[in-house]
Amino acid sequence: DGGITQSPKYLFRKEGQNVTLSCEQNLNHDAMYWYRQDPGQGLRLIYYSQIVNDFQKGDIAEGYSVSREKKESFPLTVTSAQKNPTAFYLCASKQGSGYEQYFGPGTRLTVT
Amino acid sequence: AQKITQTQPGMFVQEKEAVTLDCTYDTSDQSYGLFWYKQPSSGEMIFLIYQGSYDEQNATEGRYSLNFQKARKSANLVISASQLGDSAMYFCAMREDYGGSQGNLIFGKGTKLSVKP
Repeated sequence: DGGITQSPKYLFRKEGQNVTLSCEQNLNHDAMYWYRQDPGQGLRLIYYSQIVNDFQKGDIAEGYSVSREKKESFPLTVTSAQKNPTAFYLCASKQGSGYEQYFGPGTRLTVT
Repeated sequence: AQKITQTQPGMFVQEKEAVTLDCTYDTSDQSYGLFWYKQPSSGEMIFLIYQGSYDEQNATEGRYSLNFQKARKSANLVISASQLGDSAMYFCAMREDYGGSQGNLIFGKGTKLSVKP
């Protein structure tokens, strides 16, 4: 089955540590996205990538970094510079000519 | 200013009845798209329905329909014959084809729908 996988579902880290969230898709989609969701809020765009080896900052990129070395993978690193990293993180992908974004199941990150 | 406004933080509906979830948007683009997503308690975002700004007819997908009123800049989601499984958060989103968002989705804050048996 084609889809997007995010692992792990729940992630716990100590403050001051970097952590990398995984996102893999086998839909052969060109574009991939990372969103952050806080309780009671909508999704906010962190980073996006339209093609391999290229990515752009979204609305709240500070304290995050990404890479796009392969078409199917778009990992997100939450660095120690991110002041409020505890949140629900969703990855999405889209075919270049399409309009619908397909979402993964999300990773809930808790930093204490 | 908010680009997507969902004014109903929470809604209740009786099972088997219809419900309308409100969404208004703000854009100066002529070409844009409007989306509704459902987010159950598991967290995954499920695409429900899409309306392009040039589509003359309201979009429909099964029990979901989008009441698109372009002049009023509203894109309300109508769910007919509500089911218990419809209980979830619902998000309205917009894609501006030429605006500052560069074709990315802008989400509203969501409406929590609870279906009562």
